[in-house]
Amino acid sequence: AQSVTQLDSQVPVFEEAPVELRCNYSSSVSVYLFWYVQYPNQGLQLLLKYLSGSTLVKGINGFEAEFNKSQTSFHLRKPSVHISDTAEYFCAVSASSGNTPLVFGKGTRLSVIA
Amino acid sequence: DAGVTQSPTHLIKTRGQHVTLRCSPISGHKSVSWYQQVLGQGPQFIFQYYEKEERGRGNFPDRFSARQFPNYSSELNVNALLLGDSALYLCASSWGGSSYNEQFFGPGTRLTVL
Repeated sequence: AQSVTQLDSQVPVFEEAPVELRCNYSSSVSVYLFWYVQYPNQGLQLLLKYLSGSTLVKGINGFEAEFNKSQTSFHLRKPSVHISDTAEYFCAVSASSGNTPLVFGKGTRLSVIA
Repeated sequence: DAGVTQSPTHLIKTRGQHVTLRCSPISGHKSVSWYQQVLGQGPQFIFQYYEKEERGRGNFPDRFSARQFPNYSSELNVNALLLGDSALYLCASSWGGSSYNEQFFGPGTRLTVL
């Protein structure tokens, strides 16, 4: 089975500052990794995903993440945040073999301060 | 194109009652998954249906059931509601039923059990 740990429940950051949201996963098999964003009163939107290939993945809205197999991490980064990035961010994992469901972390609340 | 739609948006029930939640996937998508998101937690997988057959089931009691119709829409049913069933119920659709297929989430149904 897979599991995800998001190390920070809340991250406050000033506008235009860089941010990193941390995600570690546990799995005995190869995985696919995802980051989703959830704005208030909305569903989840996919930011980016790692399936295979390059370990640096670029997503929407200027976000990127790096898959580190040795550290079992998939941290999300953005070089300069905007007020509109204030939201809940979820890291998710699924096994790459077979058809396994997404397993989500508990989320990180990013608050961008003007 | 319309995204994933869910109905109703909000629902209030009392303990012991039954509830039916509905989901219409994006046109052309053949897979529907259901997730429960309790306040302050990440989404937790309940069911996946692909081509009208159950593909996976999460760790939920038999009070939870679902089905997928020929037009690929889906219903989630919950019997004998408990206070702990209060949550946001998310539906996600994808073109295929594999782990690497991107899932598109609806806005959710907010269920409150009194």
